[in-house]
Amino acid sequence: QKEVEQDPGPLSVPEGAIVSLNCTYSNSAFQYFMWYRQYSRKGPELLMYTYSSGNKEDGRFTAQVDKSSKYISLFIRDSQPSDSATYLCALRDNTNAGKSTFGDGTTLTVKP
Amino acid sequence: DAGVTQSPTHLIKTRGQQVTLRCSPKSGHDTVSWYQQALGQGPQFIFQYYEEEERQRGNFPDRFSGHQFPNYSSELNVNALLLGDSALYLCASSLAGQSYNEQFFGPGTRLTVL
Repeated sequence: QKEVEQDPGPLSVPEGAIVSLNCTYSNSAFQYFMWYRQYSRKGPELLMYTYSSGNKEDGRFTAQVDKSSKYISLFIRDSQPSDSATYLCALRDNTNAGKSTFGDGTTLTVKP
Repeated sequence: DAGVTQSPTHLIKTRGQQVTLRCSPKSGHDTVSWYQQALGQGPQFIFQYYEEEERQRGNFPDRFSGHQFPNYSSELNVNALLLGDSALYLCASSLAGQSYNEQFFGPGTRLTVL
């Protein structure tokens, strides 16, 4: 079983919809929770990160972490066609500063 | 300010050959991590270099080796290539010594092994 599970989708929504992306994990040592966006033929780009539990908001993006359930989410409000990409969750513990463990990504298409 | 750069962009090799991939970190960064991303999967950590030494290593065989130079640039070497080594190889740079050291990824090198 993988340390991080992510629904691969694909996910297709109309412009303006609220998008919910999720990951579950098994290693309770994870302390940093990141969301990356990856466009085709590009490297991943960090959207936001959260340390420990709680919510974090940045513009149209909200990240939630529930450590008791080992469940993390990314919400995108008022989705735009430019949000069409693959979204990767990534987790890291306090000791392995360089090693991020990634989910396999969810491919999102936002239709105009 | 140049971000992380990688070369070459694409590479085609045959089984058994050896390959070297190169990475220049973002200006001001001193740490380089390498990841392998197979098609349809998330990146998998190969290893990290800091102060010209391998600091951490993921679950990859010894065929995968690396090097970091005094200017912080890095190379990834893969020997005895297998078909399963076909993937996008990503380099990520960061600055050590912070509570959260954000990794900036390069565009990757796409390796095809025939």
